[in-house]
This record gives sequence, structure tokens and C-alpha cells, in this order.
Amino acid sequence: EPEVTQTPSHQVTQMGQEVILRCVPISNHLYFYWYRQILGQKVEFLVSFYNNEISEKSEIFDDQFSVERPDGSNFTLKIRSTKLEDSAMYFCASSEDRDPYEQYFGPGTRLTVT
Amino acid sequence: DAKTTQPPSMDCAEGRAANLPCNHSTISGNEYVYWYRQIHSQGPQYIIHGLKNNETNEMASLIITEDRKSSTLILPHATLRDTAVYYCIVRVDPSLRAGNMLTFGGGTRLMVKP
Repeated sequence: EPEVTQTPSHQVTQMGQEVILRCVPISNHLYFYWYRQILGQKVEFLVSFYNNEISEKSEIFDDQFSVERPDGSNFTLKIRSTKLEDSAMYFCASSEDRDPYEQYFGPGTRLTVT
Repeated sequence: DAKTTQPPSMDCAEGRAANLPCNHSTISGNEYVYWYRQIHSQGPQYIIHGLKNNETNEMASLIITEDRKSSTLILPHATLRDTAVYYCIVRVDPSLRAGNMLTFGGGTRLMVKP
């Protein structure tokens, strides 16, 4: 069964450093998403991406964040200058065109900012 | 989107049916009910969705009341692996393309006990 994959599974970085989180969505899916979950808190939407552009973003997704689909398979989230409060699990998800709410999530990348 | 209310926690004996309720009394005619779950530290997992008819798939059944103000997710024979947080999410008709974000509330923490 096709699945969303994410790398790395765990990333440790120092405050102020740039990080890139990588995702490979399911191949025939057209919508791509990033969510995050701070330890012990709810899953929060960050951004959705369709047709090579951001279709929706939350107020969390400020200028420090960017997304890119650099090729036909990868989808990345870049955090330009990490802060301690960016420490969280970051989940990538994808969905088909027929139902964007039927989203399939990857296993997540645990980002630790020290 | 209509607000949903779920009990914070429930227990279920292994092998028994788990019935997870969700109240969505302000749901409007073009809003669907989606269910997801999150097993500890993993990405959320899509389970099922419906508009007004009862739905069943290999994972679960979804029963929506005739007035659509509440629904119940049924796991017919719960196993220990079904221990997770279950989320009920209401979203507008996906064909309307009214934004794709999922909003995860607190959900119901289901504990399946041997």
C-alpha cells in the first residue's frame, strides 16, 4: 500500500540554524500539507500546497517557513532560523484531488531545537 | 465548519465493540463528518467519512443520526492496537474547494484493555 515517507525521523539543530524537512507524498496525490504537533498538544495545520503554490496557510506559517516541491516526488518544509519553540513533530500529508480532506499522513520528523 | 464535541476519554475491553460518540449539533447540510485517529507519536490516520448515510469500511463503521447532529464511530472488535486518540472533524463538501486544512480538537482517548 502506498504511503507518505518523511526524512529524517529525528533532527537536532541549534537555535538560529536552518533546517529542511523532507517528505515524499503518495505518487498520484495532488495536495500536500504540513502539520506540526508540539509535545502534549494538538495537531496544528501549517500549510497546504497545490499546483505548485501555497493554497492555504495558518498564522503559524510566517516568513520563517517556506515550502517547495523541488522535483516530481519530494515536498520540503524549510525553517529559516529555528527557535526553541519550533521543537515539535512535523507531519507531512497528501491527498487526492477527489477529496482533499481524506489526507494520508507520514510518520513525522521530530525536530529538537537546542 | 461546525464545532464538534467528544468525550475526552473512554475505555473498551479487547474484542468488544468500541462506540465513540461525536456531537456536531450545528452541522449544516453540505458538511461531512470525518474521523481520524492518532496512535501514540504516529501521524494521524484517516478512518472514514460520511454525509448522512451510514458508512462502513474495513476499519470501522460510521453511524450518523437522521438529524445529523451527532455520529458514532464503531470499531466492531477492538484490539489493543486500536488504543489511540480519535478525532471527529466536520468539513464542508470537498467539491466546493473551500480550503483543505483539517482542524484537530482534543479528540477521545480510547484505551482498549485486555
